[in-house]
Amino acid sequence: QVQLVQSGAEVKKPGSSVKVSCKASGDTFSRNTISWVRQAPGQGLEWMGRIISILDITNYAQKFQGRVTITANKSTSTAYMELSSLRSEDTAVYYCVRDAMTTIVDWGQGTLVTVSS
Amino acid sequence: QSALTQPPSASGSPGQSVTFSCTGTSSDVGGYNYVSWYQHHPGKAPKLIIYEVNKRPSGVPDRFSGSRSGNTASLTVSGLQAEDEADYYCSSYAGNNNPYVFGTGTKVTVL
Repeated sequence: QVQLVQSGAEVKKPGSSVKVSCKASGDTFSRNTISWVRQAPGQGLEWMGRIISILDITNYAQKFQGRVTITANKSTSTAYMELSSLRSEDTAVYYCVRDAMTTIVDWGQGTLVTVSS
Repeated sequence: QSALTQPPSASGSPGQSVTFSCTGTSSDVGGYNYVSWYQHHPGKAPKLIIYEVNKRPSGVPDRFSGSRSGNTASLTVSGLQAEDEADYYCSSYAGNNNPYVFGTGTKVTVL
């Protein structure tokens, strides 16, 4: 099992960017794929994208293409999700998850990002 | 891609069983053997309790069971306990481009 610990809550202005971190422990980070999933208030869960660490390959949901960047630092076992051009609709809890390519296996505790002027 | 449809709530008394559904399409629930269920206590990380339709990860009690018929998956919680009170989400693999679609969530109340 992998433990995923995320960075703390953020408050951002519209038009700015946010970068959320996710530190993994308990397994070899480079063997794992990390995805990001978000849940806006009163809304469902939504997959945003993933990084396949061993191959350094990313793919993103079409909805977020051009606005989201997922990276990983293997030396610190930390993944990052940066979302730019923030708008109020991006207010959500963002989760990093360990992705077994057909099943999400482990979840971080979530990071609340609030976009407000 | 549309969300999978779950009933918003379900309830039962301690010791009873509760079953609720997760309805998708042939492009997700009905098309792949990769339906998962997650238990989410607010403020905590969601926990995988069923994967590949009906398999339980190590440590998950056998009170939790999954099944599927056509485009509808179901989760049954038998012998309800107070700690089972939580939100439950289903998820299905849906292909490489957008691999995961999620259910709308079911809040289980133990009466």
